[in-house]
Amino acid sequence: QSALTQPASVSGSPGQSITISCTGTSSDIGGYNFVSWYQQHPGKAPKLMIYDVSDRPSGVSDRFSGSKSGNTASLTISGLQAEDEADYYCSSYTSSSTRVFGGGTKLTVL
Amino acid sequence: QVQLVESGGGVVQPGRSLRLSCAASGFTFSTYSMHWVRQAPGKGLEWVAVISSSGNDKFYTDSVKGRFTISRDNSKNTLYLQMNSLRAEDTAVYYCARQYCSDGSCIQRLPDYWGQGTLVTVSS
Repeated sequence: QSALTQPASVSGSPGQSITISCTGTSSDIGGYNFVSWYQQHPGKAPKLMIYDVSDRPSGVSDRFSGSKSGNTASLTISGLQAEDEADYYCSSYTSSSTRVFGGGTKLTVL
Repeated sequence: QVQLVESGGGVVQPGRSLRLSCAASGFTFSTYSMHWVRQAPGKGLEWVAVISSSGNDKFYTDSVKGRFTISRDNSKNTLYLQMNSLRAEDTAVYYCARQYCSDGSCIQRLPDYWGQGTLVTVSS
């Protein structure tokens, strides 16, 4: 049950686009289309931003999009805004019927 | 609206036990699988356990197998986490979370709504 691999940090200027990668194995990301992304501001609970690889819950801005290729999922945020600065976590269903999270990525808006 | 309220956290000595509760409201609790996820201070999220809507199926992360037990009481709309033989490395904020449904299925999915968490500190 190794954690999914995410970059520790990414940054971008307001208005730009950034992409966060999340790499797993064929036993998790590569084997199922059950990948979610969460946004977490300091001291707050995580918030679901993307589910089932690329679907957005109601109320989540369409600036957030998700995709997957092989064992790697990606979260793209376009038109970066100051309020997007937060920690982002990916998560996947696994072949053991468990779930696994990535180590998290700190997004800094310059 | 969906509400999840955790309780039961606190300071406990290594080797002792603690039971967390999560009171659910705003949705039909008995039809959703539920998760526990934890976050050590300054660290990332770690998935802990999941229980099916009926309570018949339970899965755990390796580090808590044999020590933690997830359970639920659908008549009380409450999720539980019994934590035994606690270790310093179990120190974390523990979140309960509902598992979403999509495309007409509720299995194999991931958390959507989360509670605000309850802090468990294991220290002598």
